[in-house]
Amino acid sequence: AQSVTQPDIHITVSEGASLELRCNYSYGATPYLFWYVQSPGQGLQLLLKYFSGDTLVQGIKGFEAEFKRSQSSFNLRKPSVHWSDAAEYFCAVGEVDMRFGAGTRLTVKP
Amino acid sequence: SQTIHQWPATLVQPVGSPLSLECTVEGTSNPNLYWYRQAAGRGLQLLFYSVGIGQISSEVPQNLSASRPQDRQFILSSKKLLLSDSGFYLCAWSVSAGGTDTQYFGPGTRLTVL
Repeated sequence: AQSVTQPDIHITVSEGASLELRCNYSYGATPYLFWYVQSPGQGLQLLLKYFSGDTLVQGIKGFEAEFKRSQSSFNLRKPSVHWSDAAEYFCAVGEVDMRFGAGTRLTVKP
Repeated sequence: SQTIHQWPATLVQPVGSPLSLECTVEGTSNPNLYWYRQAAGRGLQLLFYSVGIGQISSEVPQNLSASRPQDRQFILSSKKLLLSDSGFYLCAWSVSAGGTDTQYFGPGTRLTVL
């Protein structure tokens, strides 16, 4: 069965510092992978997605993610975090029956 | 462009009362539609999805049901709410494109059952 693990429940980084959010997946075939961001009380916004091809995927708001099949990972990165990036981040795998991780809450210190 | 609407935005209901949450999508045809629940401090749980009118797949047996009376309308219902039904309900849509669905989410409905 497909599943997603986000090992970090909460991460705090300083504004301007780099960021990496971890995501590990379990999937029987070639995975379709996604990162979403959720601001408090809001719906989810798609940051980026990986279906095939180049394993480094660029998304919106300066985010990128790298698919590593050997490690079953799809980590999200940003070189310099802005205060507005504070939110909850969800990794997801699948198609119609998509599975989400439990989320990582990002706090940005001034 | 496509847009997705959910209403109401917030709802407070007593235990045992009925529920009806509505989701509509504009700007696309024959979308796949989804209902998720997000409990406080937890990830998203897929409740139902639909690939067409009258076609509903249930992921988790529970106190809720879903219906799709029109192509771009998806309704989440309950006859009698439980305390455990409280949460943030999200509707999403996607369009199948060679198996590479991408889901897009609505703004959500915050349900509190007292």
